[in-house]
Amino acid sequence: DTAVSQTPKYLVTQMGNDKSIKCEQNLGHDTMYWYKQDSKKFLKIMFSYNNKELIINETVPNRFSPKSPDKAHLNLHINSLELGDSAVYFCASSPRGRGTFYGYTFGSGTRLTVV
Amino acid sequence: SQQGEEDPQALSIQEGENATMNCSYKTSINNLQWYRQNSGRGLVHLILIRSNEREKHSGRLRVTLDTSKKSSSLLITASRAADTASYFCATKSGNQFYFGTGTSLTVIP
Repeated sequence: DTAVSQTPKYLVTQMGNDKSIKCEQNLGHDTMYWYKQDSKKFLKIMFSYNNKELIINETVPNRFSPKSPDKAHLNLHINSLELGDSAVYFCASSPRGRGTFYGYTFGSGTRLTVV
Repeated sequence: SQQGEEDPQALSIQEGENATMNCSYKTSINNLQWYRQNSGRGLVHLILIRSNEREKHSGRLRVTLDTSKKSSSLLITASRAADTASYFCATKSGNQFYFGTGTSLTVIP
């Protein structure tokens, strides 16, 4: 089944912990993204990688660090989790990179709850 | 806010009928996209229409865009049970996506 898959689907953790969210796409896309969804359903970009190279790094705390071992994977590691990090995080991929817009495919989201 | 609003929120039709969903947005756009989400799955891109286009077709999908009214519609013709899903319009400004609230479509076999 071709898709963007991210794990885990739900993550509940205590403040101060370190956690990772994994994302994999088997669509052969060159570019992968991490988005954070706010309470109004806006998806705000956090990071973008094109063929393992970081091309977009929006203003997010240094506690967030993406890692792309290959162009099919983009993981998100979060250190010292805070209450404000609670949100739904979406991974996405697209067939083209920077400066060109094509349709994105999104994962089903990871609901992170920090308690 | 550039958030899209879909109408209706829920739609139930018989297989073979056409389904029409509407989307309104608030600010100027470069393009508008429609996405589909099956239950528990991710958002899959269906079709993109640019601001200088008025209508676009892709298979059984027909999208219209009226920039003067800041609205778009998605028509699915000859619906199938497999079309059952939620449908979202989305606009993009810079690197930020704005998704609408979605229309939940149920196609009854």
